[in-house]
Amino acid sequence: GNSVTQMEGPVTLSEEAFLTINCTYTATGYPSLFWYVQYPGEGLQLLLKATKADDKGSNKGFEATYRKETTSFHLEKGSVQVSDSAVYFCALDLDTGRRALTFGSGTRLQVQP
Amino acid sequence: NAGVTQTPKFQVLKTGQSMTLQCAQDMNHEYMSWYRQDPGMGLRLIHYSVGAGITDQGEVPNGYNVSRSTTEDFPLRLLSAAPSQTSVYFCASSYSGTGVTYEQYFGPGTRLTVT
Repeated sequence: GNSVTQMEGPVTLSEEAFLTINCTYTATGYPSLFWYVQYPGEGLQLLLKATKADDKGSNKGFEATYRKETTSFHLEKGSVQVSDSAVYFCALDLDTGRRALTFGSGTRLQVQP
Repeated sequence: NAGVTQTPKFQVLKTGQSMTLQCAQDMNHEYMSWYRQDPGMGLRLIHYSVGAGITDQGEVPNGYNVSRSTTEDFPLRLLSAAPSQTSVYFCASSYSGTGVTYEQYFGPGTRLTVT
């Protein structure tokens, strides 16, 4: 079946540190890949996406590159801020028309001033 | 646009009670879905709908019913609540169709506790 594996958290960083959150996937076809972010007390928001191999998604200083050879979609940011503290979810969609996202377990990021 | 709205925000039920979680969207999206979020497990798909009158089961449908009589509304019914249904429930919507990746928009969630 399809699955997404994320590094366990929480990840605690100081402001301006470099961030990497690892994400790998298993899928029977060629999925689209997503990172969603959930701020405290809120629903999920799309952070970035990539729809085919070697695509790079980017938004708000975050980046992730779709690596088909390693089945990975790691999230990176060069300099985190306190306002980036949230839970980050990696997800895939196999474009079956169902719009059925398969999510990873989420990684909580805590950024300290 | 209000986007995706969910009511109530919080609910406490006793085992065996029934209730309906409401979800509405004003973006004219064909696709709507319900997920549950449990600690350490991410979000899991309960039911989804690709348009009015069409629903189907997701990954964890047992104990839940849905119907889609209008494009805007997609209520989730718990017929006989169990403690295992204690969770945070999210509704989402998007345009449907294959070949193009559409963003899913999520509501703010309903936190349900079953005692």
